[in-house]
Amino acid sequence: RKEVEQDPGPFNVPEGATVAFNCTYSNSASQSFFWYRQDCRKEPKLLMSVYSSGNEDGRFTAQLNRASQYISLLIRDSKLSDSATYLCVVNPISGTYKYIFGTGTRLKVLA
Amino acid sequence: ETGVTQSPTHLIKTRGQQVTLRCSSQSGHNTVSWYQQALGQGPQFIFQYYREEENGRGNFPPRFSGLQFPNYSSELNVNALELDDSALYLCASSPRREGTEAFFGQGTRLTVV
Repeated sequence: RKEVEQDPGPFNVPEGATVAFNCTYSNSASQSFFWYRQDCRKEPKLLMSVYSSGNEDGRFTAQLNRASQYISLLIRDSKLSDSATYLCVVNPISGTYKYIFGTGTRLKVLA
Repeated sequence: ETGVTQSPTHLIKTRGQQVTLRCSSQSGHNTVSWYQQALGQGPQFIFQYYREEENGRGNFPPRFSGLQFPNYSSELNVNALELDDSALYLCASSPRREGTEAFFGQGTRLTVV
């Protein structure tokens, strides 16, 4: 089983749609969780951290379910500019900065 | 922009050669991590440097080595290049060893022929 698993997609959605991505992780002792966005052939950029209480940033909402070991990202009112690959990231080890990345979920927002 | 810069941006090397990639971390960040991203995959952790010492390593052979300098900039060295080493190499800096977001440089795209 992979340490971090994501559905690779692609998810093709019309502008204005709501889309949700899930990610599961295997290490129950994982410490920190993030969503990164990566545009084609560019570096990953932090989208948001994921907290146990859930957090929201504009159209984006992230949730963490420790009991089921999954993380979710909800994008509301999708824009063309949201088209990218979304990477789920888990920091499983305390005291080090080892990030485990999922393979990413591709999103394409269609006009 | 993140303030993390990598050089060079692109590189072509021949199998068996050696390569050095460089990273300047964001001001105030003392931790640098290196990742390898093959096409269609997520980044894979190579190693981390904290205050000039290696502080964790992923499943990469010893021919992948690194350094961190007193100004917290870093180098990644790869010896005896193999075709499978062709990838995007990403450097990430962070202000502490754990618990905070990492900020990535634009990457070095290495092609081994």
